[in-house]
Amino acid sequence: GESVGLHLPTLSVQEGDNSIINCAYSNSASDYFIWYKQESGKGPQFIIDIRSNMDKRQGQRVTVLLNKTVKHLSLQIAATQPGDSAVYFCAEGTGGSQGNLIFGKGTKLSVKP
Amino acid sequence: GAVVSQHPSWVICKSGTSVKIECRSLDFQATTMFWYRQFPKQSLMLMATSNEGSKATYEQGVEKDKFLINHASLTLSTLTVTSAHPEDSSFYICSARGPGDTQPQHFGDGTRLSIL
Repeated sequence: GESVGLHLPTLSVQEGDNSIINCAYSNSASDYFIWYKQESGKGPQFIIDIRSNMDKRQGQRVTVLLNKTVKHLSLQIAATQPGDSAVYFCAEGTGGSQGNLIFGKGTKLSVKP
Repeated sequence: GAVVSQHPSWVICKSGTSVKIECRSLDFQATTMFWYRQFPKQSLMLMATSNEGSKATYEQGVEKDKFLINHASLTLSTLTVTSAHPEDSSFYICSARGPGDTQPQHFGDGTRLSIL
């Protein structure tokens, strides 16, 4: 069946460095991808999304890259801050943002001061 | 904008009790809401999708008689865990998606359910 997975379950970075969180997906029909940040005891918080007709999208301090050839998605966080420490989930869907989402396993990002 | 409120945030109750969890979209109308379950250090698993005014669509393996979903208005969906048992203890999270084809899912802060 389809699955969305992450290469690294944990990531530790120094404050001020850039972070890259990776995600692999297997459903070639997926046309919508989204990143969420989840802090302990809270619900996921929307970070950024991207549709399959794009390969890059930028937000505030974050960039999502989509490589459909190898079915790979990444989230780049510039100048990582302690407040960025959380678990990050990628998710994929079909039918644009209207479809159901399949979530990956999550990567825990720890930022060292 | 796009705030989703979930209530209660924490429930502890005895085995056999039924528990109702509310999910509200506070500043937008949600034609579709989703209910997820999350075990510690694991990902979110979709339980069901509810559309306003119609029956919920449950994922495979989710007992619809156990997890009753009602989406009676464009701002409120409820999940009732009937006759809860310790194995139902989990973190339940709802999300809501507004109308239109560009809106992502926005999540509530979850409900931690502990059944004794």
